[in-house]
Amino acid sequence: GENVEQHPSTLSVQEGDSAVIKCTYSDSASNYFPWYKQELGKRPQLIIDIRSNVGEKKDQRIAVTLNKTAKHFSLHITETQPEDSAVYFCAARPFTGTASKLTFGTGTRLQVTL
Amino acid sequence: EAGVVQSPRYKIIEKKQPVAFWCNPISGHNTLYWYRQNLGQGPELLIRYENEEAVDDSQLPKDRFSAERLKGVDSTLKIQPAELGDSAVYLCASSARQSSPLHFGNGTRLTVT
Repeated sequence: GENVEQHPSTLSVQEGDSAVIKCTYSDSASNYFPWYKQELGKRPQLIIDIRSNVGEKKDQRIAVTLNKTAKHFSLHITETQPEDSAVYFCAARPFTGTASKLTFGTGTRLQVTL
Repeated sequence: EAGVVQSPRYKIIEKKQPVAFWCNPISGHNTLYWYRQNLGQGPELLIRYENEEAVDDSQLPKDRFSAERLKGVDSTLKIQPAELGDSAVYLCASSARQSSPLHFGNGTRLTVT
């Protein structure tokens, strides 16, 4: 099955700086890669996702890049703000099939300091 | 639209007791998932339903866990008997189709003492 590794486990940046979180996956059949933000005690919320037919996707201060050859994808947050502080999870999923499931990384705790 | 609704929000039970969690997915979402999230970890899939059919329950500990999704809408997840290691947050999620984005509920935080 799919295995997703995520780094770093914790990340501290100053407000206004950029943050980058990286994930690698093992199953070459994976073609859907979402990112979730989870604030303390709350539900994971989808913030951005990318499919394997594109290499980059951007939504305001958030961008995701995908390198299918190397089997890794990254989340980029620019101009970080205190409200970006949360745990971020990457995930990967093959397109179809009964065994198709979303596999999550172990999470990155992002702390944005003033 | 209303999101995924789960209850209860918190549950504290003694080991060996039974417990049940309930989930109401987003209206019209055919696919429903139960995930377990241990402290400091990412969610791990327990079971996935396509309408009322369980299409992936390979990670469900079937000796003590059971789930059902009657009429292809609401779902319940049951543990009987609960063990100390079952303490976790149980998240329900739904998606319009199996290939669509997942939307999570707020989860049930289970503490087994």
